[in-house]
Amino acid sequence: GAGVSQTPSNKVTEKGKYVELRCDPISGHTALYWYRQSLGQGPEFLIYFQGTGAADDSGLPNDRFFAVRPEGSVSTLKIQRTERGDSAVYLCASSSQGREETQYFGPGTRLLVL
Amino acid sequence: AQSVTQPDIHITVSEGASLELRCNYSYGATPYLFWYVQSPGQGLQLLLKYFSGDTLVQGIKGFEAEFKRSQSSFNLRKPSVHWSDAAEYFCAVVLNTGNQFYFGTGTSLTVIP
Repeated sequence: GAGVSQTPSNKVTEKGKYVELRCDPISGHTALYWYRQSLGQGPEFLIYFQGTGAADDSGLPNDRFFAVRPEGSVSTLKIQRTERGDSAVYLCASSSQGREETQYFGPGTRLLVL
Repeated sequence: AQSVTQPDIHITVSEGASLELRCNYSYGATPYLFWYVQSPGQGLQLLLKYFSGDTLVQGIKGFEAEFKRSQSSFNLRKPSVHWSDAAEYFCAVVLNTGNQFYFGTGTSLTVIP
């Protein structure tokens, strides 16, 4: 079936604006992860969903970041009052259950805050 | 602090030569260990993983990794590199009690003819 998809692939916004990044996981995958990858760095964990609930949001850097997964499939990462330091590639991954299962990554959304 | 270290930022090898990419972790207990590859324009792909048992694990594309508890290491190896192996390689860990994955900073592999 289809892999993990993310939209948009690129997003340019101005400092202070609000953005939403969408992730469509593989059908049937209950676990969903969001990561942020800055240039020259490895992915940085943001949040983990198991079903509809955020089982671990300890990686969210501050309260400007929020993510939802209302029906246990599609997830949206929301960033308020964007800052230039938020510029990065935001990656989404899903797995059939949790940490022991293979994570399948999407292509990412490249966010640029001007 | 918990961390994953990939000491080699960039490695260049000749096609057909052997490869070893290093990964060290710093945690109180043995975490679950993973190696991912990221090719240009491609998403991250899992190469192999280790949870317990045999310390030498086989993965896809001819890669293998060895867990050494005494050295807190999980090095990735391939006996004969192909030009298509040129990519960025990431080591990652997760505690068996948690869900937060920690990735290293990656090693960029260049393969020369």
